[in-house]
Order: sequence, then structure tokens, then C-alpha cells
Amino acid sequence: DTGVSQNPRHKITKRGQNVTFRCDPISEHNRLYWYRQTLGQGPEFLTYFQNEAQLEKSRLLSDRFSAERPKGSFSTLEIQRTEQGDSAMYLCASSIGTGSKNIQYFGAGTRLSVL
Amino acid sequence: AQTVTQSQPEMSVQEAETVTLSCTYDTSESNYYLFWYKQPPSRQMILVIRQEAYKQQNATENRFSVNFQKAAKSFSLKISDSQLGDTAMYFCAFMKQGSGNTPLVFGKGTRLSVIA
Repeated sequence: DTGVSQNPRHKITKRGQNVTFRCDPISEHNRLYWYRQTLGQGPEFLTYFQNEAQLEKSRLLSDRFSAERPKGSFSTLEIQRTEQGDSAMYLCASSIGTGSKNIQYFGAGTRLSVL
Repeated sequence: AQTVTQSQPEMSVQEAETVTLSCTYDTSESNYYLFWYKQPPSRQMILVIRQEAYKQQNATENRFSVNFQKAAKSFSLKISDSQLGDTAMYFCAFMKQGSGNTPLVFGKGTRLSVIA
């Protein structure tokens, strides 16, 4: 069990460019979450996968954002035509089980800076 | 919709002393879970302690304990014998009970500094 891994740790990009982040969940965890954390705020839910199916997207996830989880393993989050307001820490979490066993384990995050 | 409020943006405590972090929440759900997560500087968020709402007994994990008041919708975290390694952002989080999507709803966090 190596924990949740996120790459890259930091990404600096120019406004209008596309960026892609990767999350490798804990093996055998069937649930995967993406959150966004801006300065001075707690993480906010973006989207959720159960295995390979994307089951829910928050209203925070605009049309410029897309997430995938092929084969129910790793996940990618892509932001197209980045804007300065996209600058944030993007966190991935994974879990398995339901009820009291549904504990989410977080990665260290990808910090995005849009210039 | 659920909301979580942490009214203390920053706190400090002397090493070996006790500190209590406050958290209140609002929900119409009757079954749910509450969590405290710790986020050290530039490191990943880790679970400190969790509480099932149906349990009246307050959860404890070594030096960490909670005071869960369901009627008041209050969920405070007490850290005893504070250590320098406890310096971090602490987030209170709510999760409704269910088998489907159960994302965490976080408060804004409390930055705790443990002073030697």
C-alpha cells in the first residue's frame, strides 16, 4: 500500500493552455474523488468515480474540465483553456467500502498556477 | 445541503498543553459521519479521528479526542499534550451516510501552531 499518488506536484502554465493531472489511487480502492482547494478554503468536491464510471460532477466542474478513469485504475483531470481562476491545489482521494468503512485517503495534491 | 463552520482561523498552543478546535455543522440528515483531517505544510491530508453520528460515545485516538454534541451540531477536537509535529491545518468534515457518492464537505480550516 503506497498511498494515493498525484503527479505532477506543481504545474505552472500560461493562461489559455491545457493541463492534465494524474492520480493513482490506493490499489483495489473502487472509489475516487477529485477536490479543489483554494487559498484559505477547505477542499471542495469536483467529481466522483466508482470504478470506471463517473457518477457525479459538481457545478464547480465547468465544461473546460474533464475527468476520466479508464479501467477503474488511475484517473486524469484535464483543464482546457486555463484561466487564472483555475489556480488552486487539486486533490485526489480514494476509498473502498461503504458506511463507516468509507474513509477517504488523500494524495499530496497538484498545485496549479496559471499566469 | 450541508455546511461546516470552523470559527477559529488560527490558534496557537504551547508544547505539552491542551488545545480545543471548534467545529459546527448544519444538516437535515440524521445519519452521517464527522471527521477531523490534518494537513501539514506541503504534505498530504491525513485522517485524525472520525465519529459516527449514531454513536453517543465520543471518539478518541491516543492524544486526540472529540466532543460530539449532536443536538447542538457541534464537533470539537481536543489535542492533549501538544507536540511540535501537531503544527498543521486542521479541517473538520462532514459525510452523509449512503452507498452512493458520499463526498466530504469541509470547513475552511484552523491553522494550529505548536510553540516550543
